[in-house]
Formats: sequence, C-alpha cells, structure tokens
Amino acid sequence: EMQLLESGGGLAQPGGSLRLSCVASGFTFDNYAMSWVRQAPGKGLERVSSITGSAFDTYSADSVKGRFTISRDNSRNTLYLQMNSLRVEDTAVYYCATYKSYYHHVWGTGTTVTVSS
Amino acid sequence: QSALTQPPSASGSPGQSVTISCTGTSSDVGGYSYVSWYQQHPGKAPKLIIYEVNKRPSGVPDRFSGSKSGNTASLTVSGLQGEDEADYYCSSYALSSKLGVFGTGTRVTVL
Repeated sequence: EMQLLESGGGLAQPGGSLRLSCVASGFTFDNYAMSWVRQAPGKGLERVSSITGSAFDTYSADSVKGRFTISRDNSRNTLYLQMNSLRVEDTAVYYCATYKSYYHHVWGTGTTVTVSS
Repeated sequence: QSALTQPPSASGSPGQSVTISCTGTSSDVGGYSYVSWYQQHPGKAPKLIIYEVNKRPSGVPDRFSGSKSGNTASLTVSGLQGEDEADYYCSSYALSSKLGVFGTGTRVTVL
C-alpha cells in the first residue's frame, strides 16, 4: 500500500524557520513527482511546491518563492520542505502528495504549521 | 493564476444526484483533459476521486462521475449517501502555472 507520512510541523515565530519531512513507503519513490499542498484554517487547497522524480526540476508558488525550498532524498524515500522567513499567513495544514499527470493520487495525513508570536 | 470557480455549496437528499461545476478558462479547464476532483471529509486529507476529466481510481464507487464541456468541468454524485457529505475540490493543469490550479471548493450536504 502506498503511504506518505509527514512530520516537522509545529509553532514558529514570524521570521522563523521549520523543515517538514514526508516519508514514503509502498512504492518506488523516485518514479513519482511530489508536491506540498497546504490548507489554511477554513480555506481551500493551495499547491505550494512540486519536484520531479529525479529532483531535476522544482516549482514554487509565487506566495512562497524565495522563502520555501522543496527537495528530496530518493535514497531515504523522503521529501522535504524547508520553510524560512515564515509569515502568519503560512499557518496551515501541509500535505505531501504524489503528483502524476497533473493530479495527486496519494496524500499524507498532514502536519500542522502555526506561525504566531 | 486565479482559482477555478465552484459554487460554495450544494445539497441533495439520500438517493438523489448532485452536480458540482468547476469553471475556468481556455488556458486551463477548457484547453486540456487534465481535470481532477478531490473529496475531503472534515479533519481528513483530500482523496482523489476523478482524474483526467472522467477516470475513477480503483476503489472509487461508480456513483462518482466527471465530465467537461467548454471551460466548465462537472462532478456528479449519483445515489447520494450520507458518507458523501464532504468538501469537493476540482483541479486543472494551467498553461500559465507549472503548479496547476485548484478550485474554490464546494461543500456538499446530504439532507
């Protein structure tokens, strides 16, 4: 069974940093592009960043460009999201998900990031 | 890239059908067959229920169906059941964004 498990969320101050991790199991990790998708409290879904299976290409939303960095370690079946210069508006549940042919087939359970002073 | 437009809410009685629209432009929904739909129950992760406009992943009941006409995609849930009460989001490839675009979301209530 394909599974994703996120970790690393928590409370951070504005301007602070957090690193999220997502461990994959049950499938050949490097065969899949991956994404981070977030959902602010009571709001809709926003695709934050995506990365190809080889990590050759990455893409980020304008709202996080220059602050968040997506990466992956295929030897560890792990996806990362380094979040710097955090803002209150980055408060959300962050999901990792597989990304294939422009859709997300498998989703993790999410990790909550709260940015507050 | 603006979000795709969905109605905020929809409802139906058990056994009835409900259809949710997802309106974009010729640069996203209308131009490509890469529309997907996700179901999200409160406090849970989204779940893929339709991809590439009208394909269902293994395990998704055939009560869920997708279609597209012009710049508008639609999700129909037939034979509504209590467990179908959830938020539904569409998504599409978008020419202007490598990340694609999500819809605004629709809350379905089973009366």
